[in-house]
Amino acid sequence: AQSVTQPDIHITVSEGASLELRCNYSYGATPYLFWYVQSPGQGLQLLLKYFSGDTLVQGIKGFEAEFKRSQSSFNLRKPSVHWSDAAEYFCAVGDPNTGTASKLTFGTGTRLQVTL
Amino acid sequence: DTAVSQTPKYLVTQMGNDKSIKCEQNLGHDTMYWYKQDSKKFLKIMFSYNNKELIINETVPNRFSPKSPDKAHLNLHINSLELGDSAVYFCASSLGSEDTQYFGPGTRLTVL
Repeated sequence: AQSVTQPDIHITVSEGASLELRCNYSYGATPYLFWYVQSPGQGLQLLLKYFSGDTLVQGIKGFEAEFKRSQSSFNLRKPSVHWSDAAEYFCAVGDPNTGTASKLTFGTGTRLQVTL
Repeated sequence: DTAVSQTPKYLVTQMGNDKSIKCEQNLGHDTMYWYKQDSKKFLKIMFSYNNKELIINETVPNRFSPKSPDKAHLNLHINSLELGDSAVYFCASSLGSEDTQYFGPGTRLTVL
C-alpha cells in the first residue's frame, strides 16, 4: 500500500538555524508531492508542491524542497528559521494510480519547535 | 475574503446525536473534499466531490453522508455520533481534481 513517512515526530531548532524536515514515500510511479504547514488551531496552508520539472522547488516563507527520485524523498528545507515557523508540518502525496493530486495521502506530521 | 470557511468551528455533542458541518468556498473551485484529522494529527481523506458529483469515497461508515447542494458548498452530515468520531474535520477545495487543495480552518468535533 502507498505510504508517506515523516520519520521525525518532533524537531527543535534555534532561531536562525537551518532546518531540514524529512519525507519519504513509497509508490511505484512519481507522485505529486506537497508540503503543508498547520499552525496551532489553524487549517493547513500550502508551502510548496512538486508536479514535474525542476526537482528543487521554491515555496512561500523562504522554504524549499528537493525531490530525489532515487531516494523516494521530498525533504523540506529552510536556511534560517524564524520563531513564527513553529508549527506542524505535513508532507503529502497525490495518488499516482490516477495521476491526479486529488487523493492526497498525508504523513503523520513533524512538529517544529523554535527556541529563541 | 475567506477562501474556504467552515461552520461551526467547535462542536460538542452527545453520543447518538446527529450533527452537520458546513463548508463553503468562494474560490470558484469545482472540487471539494472532507478530511478527518485524529487525535494523533493523522489526516485522512473521507470524500471528494467534483461539480456536485461524488468522485472519492473512502472507507467511511455509512453514518457519514456528504451533501453538495452546489459547487460552492459541501456539507458533512453525521448520524448516530460515536466517541470515535471525535476529531478535527477539514474541508478543502481545488480548481480541478488535479490542482492544489486549499484547506478550511477545521471543525473540532467532540463527542461525549
